Amino acid sequence: QVQLQESGPGLVKPSQTLSLTCTVSGGSISSGSYYWSWIRQPAGKGLEWIGRIYTSGSTNYNPSLKSRVTISVDTSKNQFSLKLSSVTAADTAVYYCARAVRWDTADMDVWGKGTTVTVSS
Amino acid sequence: QSVLTQPPSVSAAPGQKVTISCSGSSSNIGNNYVSWYQQLPGTAPKLLIYDNNKRPSGIPDRFSGSKSGTSATLGITGLQTGDEADYYCGTWDSSLSAHVVFGGGTKLTVL
Repeated sequence: QVQLQESGPGLVKPSQTLSLTCTVSGGSISSGSYYWSWIRQPAGKGLEWIGRIYTSGSTNYNPSLKSRVTISVDTSKNQFSLKLSSVTAADTAVYYCARAVRWDTADMDVWGKGTTVTVSS
Repeated sequence: QSVLTQPPSVSAAPGQKVTISCSGSSSNIGNNYVSWYQQLPGTAPKLLIYDNNKRPSGIPDRFSGSKSGTSATLGITGLQTGDEADYYCGTWDSSLSAHVVFGGGTKLTVL
């Protein structure tokens, strides 16, 4: 079955760009009609949807983060990535990647285990 | 401040039933499907309910979902200590900048 694994630096300096990658195993990122998503969760707080990408490259972002977020996909590596620019301490969170089944719903059936990113100098 | 409103906490005894509410608006819950997630301590969220009331394979029928107007409800019967977790509702918000929105989460304590 499909599994997701986040990877990337655990520590990012303020004002820099946070970069994370999600590797898809057990299946092709291009097969099926899925939307590859990023979600984050600050410690002790709730979930915040960041955005998603379809394998065609079309994207959809949270309007509150849209100006700083870029999500891309590399089908040759079976990966998709997140870049969040101009980070501050408020971006410190556990970042999850997930697979969404449809465009206009919130159901995400496969999740990675999450990776903790701390923004600090 | 989350777009969807959930009670911060609920509690009940083992074997009992509990419900968790999720309130939104016409741009989200009122016109879109609701999903529910269970997040056990230190783990990633797990899809419990989709399309308001459908359960993915492997989710026991002790978990149920319903929707009425701009509110949704998650029900859990026959509570077990292993159900102690945070529960989140989520849905599509079809406003101008369409995107996924979540509730703030509800901590379930099984006394």
